[in-house]
Amino acid sequence: DAKTTQPTSMDCAEGRAANLPCNHSTISGNEYVYWYRQIHSQGPQYIIHGLKNNETNEMASLIITEDRKSSTLILPHATLRDTAVYYCIVRVAGANSKLTFGKGITLSVRP
Amino acid sequence: KAGVTQTPRYLIKTRGQQVTLSCSPISGHRSVSWYQQTPGQGLQFLFEYFSETQRNKGNFPGRFSGRQFSNSRSEMNVSTLELGDSALYLCASSLRQATNTGELFFGEGSRLTVL
Repeated sequence: DAKTTQPTSMDCAEGRAANLPCNHSTISGNEYVYWYRQIHSQGPQYIIHGLKNNETNEMASLIITEDRKSSTLILPHATLRDTAVYYCIVRVAGANSKLTFGKGITLSVRP
Repeated sequence: KAGVTQTPRYLIKTRGQQVTLSCSPISGHRSVSWYQQTPGQGLQFLFEYFSETQRNKGNFPGRFSGRQFSNSRSEMNVSTLELGDSALYLCASSLRQATNTGELFFGEGSRLTVL
């Protein structure tokens, strides 16, 4: 699976949009981009995934660049409960591959 | 709809002992994966079971083993415990084979401390 690069940490103000970047310059054509988050002392939580097109669900939006070498997870209106470690993962779908978690990015939402 | 249930939530063992952790997946989910999380190594994949068969295995020694029952419940066992086995062990379930969808639903984990 392709390697991802994320900043170590970032913060944003409550109510503002949080834009979390991820670089995956070696992504292959059949690899998807997944985002999970882990709130302190809890198990990771699936957020969203996509292949080429931008995706949106009730939690977040995923913007993937046209060359697919990077993506951005957008939390439109961050709340204090969104403070967590966010993991960007790329992996092949339809094959025996595991989820490889990196160090993730720690998002701190301030009041 | 109940989530992924892991038991026990906390346990303390001593070096050389063995431990068995249990995971009940979300109803209808047939795939169960196990992960180990430590401060130093982060989240690492242990193994994955689907339809009672191990489908994928991470890079862990043979002391780490698992199984899945016909009702999709899974157990993992760690024998001859070492201090370095102290970790949060997370179970995740998915509707189909985990590696095909990526949408894993994690439990709260079992925190193991080895003294």
